[in-house]
Amino acid sequence: NAGVMQNPRHLVRRRGQEARLRCSPMKGHSHVYWYRQLPEEGLKFMVYLQKENIIDESGMPKERFSAEFPKEGPSILRIQQVVRGDSAAYFCASSRDQETQYFGPGTRLLVL
Amino acid sequence: QQQVKQSPQSLIVQKGGISIINCAYENTAFDYFPWYQQFPGKGPALLIAIRPDVSEKKEGRFTISFNKSAKQFSLHIMDSQPGDSATYFCAASKGDYKLSFGAGTTVTVRA
Repeated sequence: NAGVMQNPRHLVRRRGQEARLRCSPMKGHSHVYWYRQLPEEGLKFMVYLQKENIIDESGMPKERFSAEFPKEGPSILRIQQVVRGDSAAYFCASSRDQETQYFGPGTRLLVL
Repeated sequence: QQQVKQSPQSLIVQKGGISIINCAYENTAFDYFPWYQQFPGKGPALLIAIRPDVSEKKEGRFTISFNKSAKQFSLHIMDSQPGDSATYFCAASKGDYKLSFGAGTTVTVRA
């Protein structure tokens, strides 16, 4: 049973470009969560989605960030017009029915 | 504001020793307290979790102690091994989502 998959694993963008991070949950999991981890810090909750619905986006910055989890395909975290402060590791987790969250390997975003 | 405070930031322990990591939380509504282990370049992996209706939970060499009145919980790693060298995060949530993580403790086990 494959775990949570994230791609790309590393992403380099210049300031002002867009970053798209993808997350495929574990088989049978319909709940997806995104977290951001800054260097030397713990993970910070960003958004919680179920299929086609955003349940809780209280941790998402109000501008430039958006997330979706379509009926078919992976969940996407989109960051528009990236700035250097967006450089971080972005982790996706999935769960079945709000149970234990299983994390993916993360996408490390570097903004030049 | 940080809802879960974790200490120490780092610790070094000899092989066979005991590693102890402490966490304190503010929100009395929290009812789920997991610990995650993270190796460099990897995602966090669930190690062990506890709910406030029990004061202790043990899985192998890992034990969580929970003190509801003090709003504190801790992870004990018994008989620490070099393979345990990693960063450990405590977390807490109301329900099982929107985890609030501590800042992490880097554990180094010396052979």
